[in-house]
Amino acid sequence: AQRVTQPEKLLSVFKGAPVELKCNYSYSGSPELFWYVQYSRQRLQLLLRHISRESIKGFTADLNKGETSFHLKKPFAQEEDSAMYYCALGGNAGNMLTFGGGTRLMVKP
Amino acid sequence: NAGVTQTPKFRILKIGQSMTLQCTQDMNHNYMYWYRQDPGMGLKLIYYSVGAGITDKGEVPNGYNVSRSTTEDFPLRLELAAPSQTSVYFCASIKPSSGNTIYFGEGSWLTVV
Repeated sequence: AQRVTQPEKLLSVFKGAPVELKCNYSYSGSPELFWYVQYSRQRLQLLLRHISRESIKGFTADLNKGETSFHLKKPFAQEEDSAMYYCALGGNAGNMLTFGGGTRLMVKP
Repeated sequence: NAGVTQTPKFRILKIGQSMTLQCTQDMNHNYMYWYRQDPGMGLKLIYYSVGAGITDKGEVPNGYNVSRSTTEDFPLRLELAAPSQTSVYFCASIKPSSGNTIYFGEGSWLTVV
């Protein structure tokens, strides 16, 4: 069975501080990992995916297969980064995503 | 393109009532999904469909039914609403040949009282 764990429900940091949102997964196959973001009262939208190895809005995430982790990082948090962040695991038949419980990031001025 | 459109956005139901959440997409995506989002619990897959005429159960299908008569539409039916079905419902779609990006609707807030 595949599972995604986001251990922190809430992460509160000051503007300009580094941010790391943790994500661990379990999956026996070849995983596809994603980060989705949900700003207040908006739909979920893709932030980034591991296969692209891109940086979006200053965020990066590296897939660590040895530690089965896909942590999301940003060196300097901004107030507009405040949102719910969901780590998701795909790569199965049907292309279903398994979501973690989400982490609410609050960036204080 | 309008993307993924869900209706209604908000609804209050009484226990035992039934209703249908509508979902339509205009991107010619063959895969469609229904998720529910409970506070602190992430999103859980209710049902999914890989094409017109084909539907399958997800992780939490009990109390729900779906149909997929066309590529565009994937309605979710609650037959006998229960308080445990109070949640936010998201419809999503994907065209696997187009890079596996999943597109979500804006969500439907359902309260069962």
